[in-house]
Amino acid sequence: QQQVKQSPQSLIVQKGGISIINCAYENTAFDYFPWYQQFPGKGPALLIAIRPDVSEKKEGRFTISFNKSAKQFSLHIMDSQPGDSATYFCAASTGGSQGNLIFGKGTKLSVKP
Amino acid sequence: DTGVSQNPRHKITKRGQNVTFRCDPISEHNRLYWYRQTLGQGPEFLTYFQNEAQLEKSRLLSDRFSAERPKGSFSTLEIQRTEQGDSAMYLCASSLRDEKLFFGSGTQLSVL
Repeated sequence: QQQVKQSPQSLIVQKGGISIINCAYENTAFDYFPWYQQFPGKGPALLIAIRPDVSEKKEGRFTISFNKSAKQFSLHIMDSQPGDSATYFCAASTGGSQGNLIFGKGTKLSVKP
Repeated sequence: DTGVSQNPRHKITKRGQNVTFRCDPISEHNRLYWYRQTLGQGPEFLTYFQNEAQLEKSRLLSDRFSAERPKGSFSTLEIQRTEQGDSAMYLCASSLRDEKLFFGSGTQLSVL
């Protein structure tokens, strides 16, 4: 049973556009929601994370929007650049843990110049 | 390089052989995690250590898998009697207490 459902599986965006990736979860005990970026041949790297007491968090060009009632959260990448081309994973955990994470299946983003 | 280091980067083995991977975490990090990632999937949690104590193990970690972290420093993950289904990227991550995870680049295992 997949606990974190991520969509779309792949995404193509023009340079300068907005990339939007969505995740949905069922377990209401989840209380930490990070997004990770992974380049080929590398391990995932934390981009940005949110806890359910806020509805939005912004760091540079990256924004997480969180909808607790809908049990959904999304990643927005503003002014997308070719260097943003990577696979993005949403994840979730319980008990405030930042380590024991349940990941989505990933979204492969391609930003065209 | 002060990041998480994993060795080897690639391992090819025959079915039934034993393999061992090593992870060197960031030096001051007391927590160490092992994850497994198959093609087209997100990482899956296997186990984690706080210092030398193994505190949690996933149901994915069958009895053919064993992990150790002697003296709370580096960690090893051993797979005995490998099967083709064990082919995956094995990722190690570390953190200071329960803070941000830092992943290594992984060990890619291919079982023929």
